Amino acid sequence: SSVLTQPPSVSVAPGQTARITCERNNIGSKSVHWYQQKPGQAPVLVVYDNGDRPSGIPERFSGSNSGNTATLTISRVEAGDEADYFCQVWDSSTDVVFGGGTKLTVL
Amino acid sequence: QVQLQESGPGLVKPSETLSLTCAVSGGSISPHYWSWIRQPPGKGLEWIGYIYYTENSKYNPSLKSRVTLSLDTSKNQFSLRMTSVTAADTAVYYCARERAGDRGSYFFDFWGQGALVTVSS
Repeated sequence: SSVLTQPPSVSVAPGQTARITCERNNIGSKSVHWYQQKPGQAPVLVVYDNGDRPSGIPERFSGSNSGNTATLTISRVEAGDEADYFCQVWDSSTDVVFGGGTKLTVL
Repeated sequence: QVQLQESGPGLVKPSETLSLTCAVSGGSISPHYWSWIRQPPGKGLEWIGYIYYTENSKYNPSLKSRVTLSLDTSKNQFSLRMTSVTAADTAVYYCARERAGDRGSYFFDFWGQGALVTVSS
């Protein structure tokens, strides 16, 4: 299946660590990319190729991918991290697929 | 820094054609892939298709019969045309640059601000 499954919501207190998952059978064989989208704004790439960060993205954002689960980890969460987060993969058969998105709430 | 800006009508009647243009500044159309992505209100992201600077294109199978992408390298812009629209096509439409990472997978590194298109009579 090409569907990427994300939890609808994740909540975390400021200063704690948030982990947002993206599940698909054997996703570990793919490169996973992550986007942050704040209300009324376009998505912003925060992690690509599982764990690389574009310039300007804080080191607090990291990613991992193994087996059936890819994970975006946000360390030392700040109020400004509150947003929707989307995972995305690409392959030659299905092209671009996005996860359904996870709303991160900072308590 | 590459910047993208969508433009086009914000209201389209059912059964008519949606047309949007994305102007690229701060960089050249060549040699990149350029995509359209849409997001219905309150929902997730859906990839529509891409066009390469050589004018090769590929579309989401679910939209392929209604979508055409084109580009104008002289104006450094590319365009989306979607026919026979319905209310289900109401969405924010984003243009974005698609690039390949070191592992050969594609992602979107620059996005336009988005254009809301409402399909309604």
